[in-house]
Amino acid sequence: QITLKESGPTLVKPTQTLTLTCTFSGFSLSTSGVGVGWIRQPPGKALEWLALIYWNDDKRYSPSLKSRLTITKDTSKNQVVLTMTNMDPVDTATYYCAHVSRAGFEYWGQGTLVTVSS
Amino acid sequence: SSELTQDPAVSVALGQTVRITCQGDSLRSYYASWYQQKPGQAPVLVIYGKNNRPSGIPDRFSGSSSGNTASLTITGAQAEDEADYYCNSRDSSGNHLFGGGTKLTVL
Repeated sequence: QITLKESGPTLVKPTQTLTLTCTFSGFSLSTSGVGVGWIRQPPGKALEWLALIYWNDDKRYSPSLKSRLTITKDTSKNQVVLTMTNMDPVDTATYYCAHVSRAGFEYWGQGTLVTVSS
Repeated sequence: SSELTQDPAVSVALGQTVRITCQGDSLRSYYASWYQQKPGQAPVLVIYGKNNRPSGIPDRFSGSSSGNTASLTITGAQAEDEADYYCNSRDSSGNHLFGGGTKLTVL
């Protein structure tokens, strides 16, 4: 059974750096073809893909946010960490992590709401 | 620029068939995947690849593609199918993108 869970602060101040951790079970990020991605969704708005890291440490970032994002993995801990710098109120959203396979974003975490406010 | 375009809202009578479309240049080269999202819940993958359903997804959901357009068809829509539907694809750089979503209302 594959599960993922996002953790991190629920409130950050403008200009701060957000660090989110995705802790997963039921699969290994050392398995060929597997990845973990991050997606966010502002309240009442659409999904937005942020970043993705694969088993071989290949990383992809949303072109519009690339300068602010860093994704890393710790295979031994079954964790993927996303950092986003220079947070702004428009970054207020529910942040999801998801297991990635050839099928796509196959399994999702429950999401964590991050509010950016002073 | 890479983007996926969806109609904001679609409605269907209970038991009828509805098609939700997604347009984008990346769809000429890569299949779309489709996600169902109900209020307050995480998205669920319903269709991927040429026309594949994950385990547990009813067979009334199907997918197709032609040119720059991918479609999700629900044959015999049920009340529980009322949700937001998002398409997703990748581009040649390996980046992903989501469509703006379609709100499906079952009448």
